[in-house]
Amino acid sequence: AQRVTQPEKLLSVFKGAPVELKCNYSYSGSPELFWYVQYSRQRLQLLLRHISRESIKGFTADLNKGETSFHLKKPFAQEEDSAMYYCALSGQTSGSRLTFGEGTQLTVNP
Amino acid sequence: KAGVTQTPRYLIKTRGQQVTLSCSPISGHRSVSWYQQTPGQGLQFLFEYFSETQRNKGNFPGRFSGRQFSNSRSEMNVSTLELGDSALYLCASSAGGEPRGQYFGPGTRLTVT
Repeated sequence: AQRVTQPEKLLSVFKGAPVELKCNYSYSGSPELFWYVQYSRQRLQLLLRHISRESIKGFTADLNKGETSFHLKKPFAQEEDSAMYYCALSGQTSGSRLTFGEGTQLTVNP
Repeated sequence: KAGVTQTPRYLIKTRGQQVTLSCSPISGHRSVSWYQQTPGQGLQFLFEYFSETQRNKGNFPGRFSGRQFSNSRSEMNVSTLELGDSALYLCASSAGGEPRGQYFGPGTRLTVT
């Protein structure tokens, strides 16, 4: 079975502060991990994926297989980062199927 | 390219009725996946269609069904609606059925009264 856990439903930081959104997963094989973001009144969109090892809008995420985590980080949060963030996993034989975490609502205060 | 479109955007139905939702993927995309989003359960996978064949299915009752047409457009149907079926139904498309490039539609908000 595959499972994704985001322990924080709400996270509030001040502009310019570092932010870390936590994601833990359980999966017996080698998963693909993703972060999706949903800004207010917009559709769900892919932010980044672990396989690309990319930085998007200043966000990075490293897959830690030992701790089964894929935390999302940004050194200096901006007000426009306020959104709902979802961590998602796809298994080796899952095709397009994504298992999502519960989501973390990030608020960046001025 | 135009994004994923879903129709209708909002729907109100009565318990016991059935409903059909439609999803048009990005041009050239052959895979369409459906998800149910509720405040209590979050985002849950319903099923995936690739080249008109159901390739993956989530843990939902048989009242939930879908299909895909030769132009990759997909429909999902829910029969004998229950109050708990009230949710936002999202579809996502990708080119080859892999999750790396999934693009989501705006969703259809279904309310069952």
